[in-house]
Amino acid sequence: GENVEQHPSTLSVQEGDSAVIKCTYSDSASNYFPWYKQELGKRPQLIIDIRSNVGEKKDQRIAVTLNKTAKHFSLHITETQPEDSAVYFCAASKGSSASKIIFGSGTRLSIRP
Amino acid sequence: GAGVSQSPSNKVTEKGKDVELRCDPISGHTALYWYRQSLGQGLEFLIYFQGNSAPDKSGLPSDRFSAERTGGSVSTLTIQRTQQEDSAVYLCASSPRVTGYTFGSGTRLTVV
Repeated sequence: GENVEQHPSTLSVQEGDSAVIKCTYSDSASNYFPWYKQELGKRPQLIIDIRSNVGEKKDQRIAVTLNKTAKHFSLHITETQPEDSAVYFCAASKGSSASKIIFGSGTRLSIRP
Repeated sequence: GAGVSQSPSNKVTEKGKDVELRCDPISGHTALYWYRQSLGQGLEFLIYFQGNSAPDKSGLPSDRFSAERTGGSVSTLTIQRTQQEDSAVYLCASSPRVTGYTFGSGTRLTVV
C-alpha cells in the first residue's frame, strides 16, 4: 500500500522567512496530494492540494510543487507569520474519485517572533 | 449540517468497557473515513466507506474495532473491551467524490 514520508518532523523559522516541508510517496498510482494544517487542539483543515496533472500550485503565501518522476512533493510557505505555527500534514491518494488518503507523520512548524 | 459532526466530544471509559463513537458526515458526501490520532502523533487510517461498496477495513488495529455506516450517512465506530492504548482522538472525515476531506472535531477517548 501507499507509504508517505514527511520531513522534517519539527521546523523553526524566523518570522518573515520561508518554510519548506518535503514529502515522498511510494505508490506511483497516487495522483492527489492534499496538505492539511492542524492548530493545537483543533481539527486538521485542508489548506491546499495538487493533482498529478500539474507541477505547481500557488495560493497567496502558500505553494505546493510536485515531481511525479521522483515521487516528491513539497509545501512552501513564504513570509511566515505567527499564525502559521501549527502541525502540517502531507497526504497522498489515488483515483479520481474520493479515496483513502494516507497521511505523512506531520511537521510541527514554529514561527519565532 | 454545515460540517462533520462527531459525538461525544469527550469520552472517559474504564478499561474493558465497550464504547461507541458517532459521526454525522456532511450531507451528500459519499465517502466517510475514520482516523485515530494519538497525542502528538500523526493520523492513523482506520476504515473507509464509499457509497454502497464494501468498506476498506485495512487500518483497523484489531478485531476489537468495528464500524458501520447506516443508510450511507451516519457512521458508528465501536471499540470493544477497551484498552489503555486505545486512548486517542478519533477523527471522522467525509468527502464528495473528487475533493479532499472535511474533518470533524473528533472524539477524545480516555481509557482509565
